[in-house]
Amino acid sequence: NAGVMQNPRHLVRRRGQEARLRCSPMKGHSHVYWYRQLPEEGLKFMVYLQKENIIDESGMPKERFSAEFPKEGPSILRIQQVVRGDSAAYFCASSPPRTGGYKETQYFGPGTRLLVL
Amino acid sequence: DQQVKQNSPSLSVQEGRISILNCDYTNSMFDYFLWYKKYPAEGPTFLISISSIKDKNEDGRFTVFLNKSAKHLSLHIVPSQPGDSAVYFCAASGGGTASKLTFGTGTRLQVTL
Repeated sequence: NAGVMQNPRHLVRRRGQEARLRCSPMKGHSHVYWYRQLPEEGLKFMVYLQKENIIDESGMPKERFSAEFPKEGPSILRIQQVVRGDSAAYFCASSPPRTGGYKETQYFGPGTRLLVL
Repeated sequence: DQQVKQNSPSLSVQEGRISILNCDYTNSMFDYFLWYKKYPAEGPTFLISISSIKDKNEDGRFTVFLNKSAKHLSLHIVPSQPGDSAVYFCAASGGGTASKLTFGTGTRLQVTL
């Protein structure tokens, strides 16, 4: 039973390039979340998606960042025109469909470490 | 605005003793709390959770206590083992869009021999 998969594990980009981070949720999970961890800080929520829908993007920077979770394939976090301040670890988490008032647990992938030169 | 706080950045405990990690929160709408363990260069690993309708949840060596009136929770690890050495994050959800997690800044636990 594979866990949450993320690729690439490491990504180096020059300023102004685009970064694409991919996340495949655990089998049976239909909810995907993206978090960012800056050095020496905790994880900060970015966006919550279900298949073909963005549910909550309150943590996403207003510009250059976008996310999608298509009907088929992995979820993609896209960062356009990267800047040095985008250097961070980006974690994806997934959870199963919610049932009633039950609180689902989020399970995390290994992360993608983005370095912007 | 740090809604979840872990005020101890590090903790050192001897093997076999109890480790107690603390977490405070300010948002009274939080109703679900989780602890994750994280090794360097890996993603957070879920340890244990507690709903606000409970005040204690136990799973093997790990116990989480919740004091809603004080807005405080703690993770107890008994007995501590060297493999427990990692960064521990407290997280909370609830209020508004209930599914996103708000994390503390983490406590680095070192279990010494």
